[in-house]
Amino acid sequence: DTGVSQDPRHKITKRGQNVTFRCDPISEHNRLYWYRQTLGQGPEFLTYFQNEAQLEKSRLLSDRFSAERPKGSFSTLEIQRTEQGDSAMYLCASSATITEDTQYFGPGTRLTVL
Amino acid sequence: AQTVTQSQPEMSVQEAETVTLSCTYDTSENNYYLFWYKQPPSRQMILVIRQEAYKQQNATENRFSVNFQKAAKSFSLKISDSQLGDTAMYFCAFNKDSGNTPLVFGKGTRLSVIA
Repeated sequence: DTGVSQDPRHKITKRGQNVTFRCDPISEHNRLYWYRQTLGQGPEFLTYFQNEAQLEKSRLLSDRFSAERPKGSFSTLEIQRTEQGDSAMYLCASSATITEDTQYFGPGTRLTVL
Repeated sequence: AQTVTQSQPEMSVQEAETVTLSCTYDTSENNYYLFWYKQPPSRQMILVIRQEAYKQQNATENRFSVNFQKAAKSFSLKISDSQLGDTAMYFCAFNKDSGNTPLVFGKGTRLSVIA
């Protein structure tokens, strides 16, 4: 296992369309995090999971956003009715709760909403 | 609410020289962790160094070291013998409890190492 992977790496969509991103964490990592990073800013927390349970959602996560981790492995982040303000880099990170708590980041999915 | 402030949007340093990046934070938590992450251009974020708040000794990792001043809520990163590969965005980050909680990031400092 070489690290956290995210797919797609880039997504261009038109306003109003739905998009879905996927994150595959490091194998056996219990916790999975989603962050959003806009240009010139640090990443901002969106939501995170312990196995399949969603532990917390940021107030940034409007009702157009939904995240799942159905089997406690990969996770998906869906944005419905995209808006231009959703354009950002969406980062995924994972960590192992027992052996090591460092968060390892994926390469991100860059979303552009036209 | 926790906040992290990086007051230097951009910095530059000559190759082989030493540079210090500043970070301050605000929290009412007693147990927390501090991190410096590096994000090279078009590449993913990687951990540079971490510090547990309960440890008085400053963390070091090869050419990277921190100056942790708990009372002042300050956490600066020193890079010694700067290399061209150190060119990147550097983010200071904080999380509470065990470390397996969401990170709060600063806005970052863009560091350029000049040959």
